[in-house]
Formats: sequence, C-alpha cells, structure tokens
Amino acid sequence: IAGITQAPTSQILAAGRRMTLRCTQDMRHNAMYWYRQDLGLGLRLIHYSNTAGTTGKGEVPDGYSVSRANTDDFPLTLASAVPSQTSVYFCASSDSSGGNNEQFFGPGTRLTVL
Amino acid sequence: GQNIDQPTEMTATEGAIVQINCTYQTSGFNGLFWYQQHAGEAPTFLSYNVLDGLEEKGRFSSFLSRSKGYSYLLLKELQMKDSASYLCAVKDSNYQLIWGAGTKLIIKP
Repeated sequence: IAGITQAPTSQILAAGRRMTLRCTQDMRHNAMYWYRQDLGLGLRLIHYSNTAGTTGKGEVPDGYSVSRANTDDFPLTLASAVPSQTSVYFCASSDSSGGNNEQFFGPGTRLTVL
Repeated sequence: GQNIDQPTEMTATEGAIVQINCTYQTSGFNGLFWYQQHAGEAPTFLSYNVLDGLEEKGRFSSFLSRSKGYSYLLLKELQMKDSASYLCAVKDSNYQLIWGAGTKLIIKP
C-alpha cells in the first residue's frame, strides 16, 4: 500500500454499541490526526498524536478515545455510540505537526448511528 | 474564539477565472493551507502560505495578507474537473489546523 488507509469504508451502528475505526499509514509519518466532517461545518479535530506513544485531545474529543502504540496505526474508538456521532471520519497524517507539513488524508469512514 | 470564513458556494464558467476568499481570526498563525475536496472523497493539498504575497502553482495561485487576516485562492482556465469544495485552514499557535466550512465551486459549461 502507499499512503493512508481506513476501515471500514462505511458502517451502520446501533446506539450504545462500541466501534473502532482503523487507520494505517505507510509513509512513516510522525503525526496522525482524526477529524469528523459534518455538512455545513469545517473539519473538526477529535484527537491527534504528534509521535508514537503520545496522544492529545482536539476540539471535539468527548465520546472518543485513541491509542498510538506504533508509528503506522492510529485507531479511533467510540465506547458507546450515540446518534450525534453520525458523521464522516477522516484520518490524516503528516511528517510532523509543525510548519508547512501538509496533512495527507485517508479515504474516510462514513458512520451512521441509529 | 477561532473562526475561518469562506463563501458557502460559488459558480463560474468553464475557461474563466474565479477567486475564493478566506478570512480568519485565530489564536496565533503558523501558516494557511488550501485543500481541494471532490464530493465523496478526501481533501487533497493545494497550497501553503506563511509569508505575505502570492504563491503560484500552475493554474492555481494563493495569496496571503497576515495583517488583514485574509487569503484567496485563484483558479485560472477553469475546467469541469475543478468542480469541488475548496477548504481554507489555518495552523494556530498549537500547530493544529483550524478549518473553514469550505466553498463549493460549481463550474458550468
């Protein structure tokens, strides 16, 4: 693979269920990010990781958790899904968090919580 | 609070020029990015500005004025494939990107 992949592509989930969205990159990027994108709103940062072993909270972290056990993987977990978490989720990575380092995005996961 | 403003939608004609504006108010400034996003796809990087002035890259150019909190993306010789949303994002003092809601550009023949 080349770039950043996400799984699943789409998912319909019952409220209250636990769900993990997977993200893997093969670019050896240090920084990784999870965003949600909702109609009429800009991308909103959920959680980020500047390097393996560290994570931080973004603008909308409540109801989500992440881990960064290694450089390549950055899973996002919804412990108990609620309908307001219906969204398109994008994982992104960059060489580092600073300066002009562009973020590369995965194809997204479309999640519907009923 | 932090805020990025861009027009919701614009329409232009194939072969013409269009300018998409972005104004921002953020806590700190470490550069401004423009991304393109086709419907149902991921955003892809177009340009980066950190100093005042114009950056040209083929048919696309991006301008920044830090004193005015203003940027624009200029698209020349519009093609139908340029129909997409254009996202403005500012890297703040924490080096996190703050995103505008995007401008949907519709190209008509």
